[in-house]
Amino acid sequence: KAGVTQTPRYLIKTRGQQVTLSCSPISGHRSVSWYQQTPGQGLQFLFEYFSETQRNKGNFPGRFSGRQFSNSRSEMNVSTLELGDSALYLCASSLELEGFKKLFFGSGTQLSVL
Amino acid sequence: GNSVTQMEGPVTLSEEAFLTINCTYTATGYPSLFWYVQYPGEGLQLLLKATKADDKGSNKGFEATYRKETTSFHLEKGSVQVSDSAVYFCALYGNGGNQFYFGTGTSLTVIP
Repeated sequence: KAGVTQTPRYLIKTRGQQVTLSCSPISGHRSVSWYQQTPGQGLQFLFEYFSETQRNKGNFPGRFSGRQFSNSRSEMNVSTLELGDSALYLCASSLELEGFKKLFFGSGTQLSVL
Repeated sequence: GNSVTQMEGPVTLSEEAFLTINCTYTATGYPSLFWYVQYPGEGLQLLLKATKADDKGSNKGFEATYRKETTSFHLEKGSVQVSDSAVYFCALYGNGGNQFYFGTGTSLTVIP
């Protein structure tokens, strides 16, 4: 089975621009969540989608948004980019297994904002 | 609220040394606890988990015990290898919320 696929692998943008990141979950996984990873903060939860509906949301400004399509693929959008948005953005699909939830992560999209 | 605190790195060990990475948590209810590992250039992957107090999770020689009395889930390995070099994340998934909370990660480098 193919793993979680994120595209693109690297992105360079300038302040004020917007960006869209894509995530294809493992086949059969209906839940997709997004995380921002930075050296000082570790992983910060952005949001989770399940069957095209946002199920949960972290504490990020409204500039960060997402959506999920009927085939479970998900996109994340960041508008009006700021320097502080430079980070590794990780997508994870998940599965309920033996009473716990297991996350399967992609390799991430490295976003640099100049 | 829920949170995870883990020891800061980086940690550098010689091959075959003993490893401990400390992790403590704050949570409402009875969370499940996890260690995820991130190898260079890759996404995180589940290393081990424990879903209730006194459970011991183990995998690839790593172990961690869910200690409710000390709210801890320390990661240990008796003899590390160069291939264990990675970043290790402690995480919890709580009953009261529907999201994972991760620590800041501990970078481990094992030298031959």
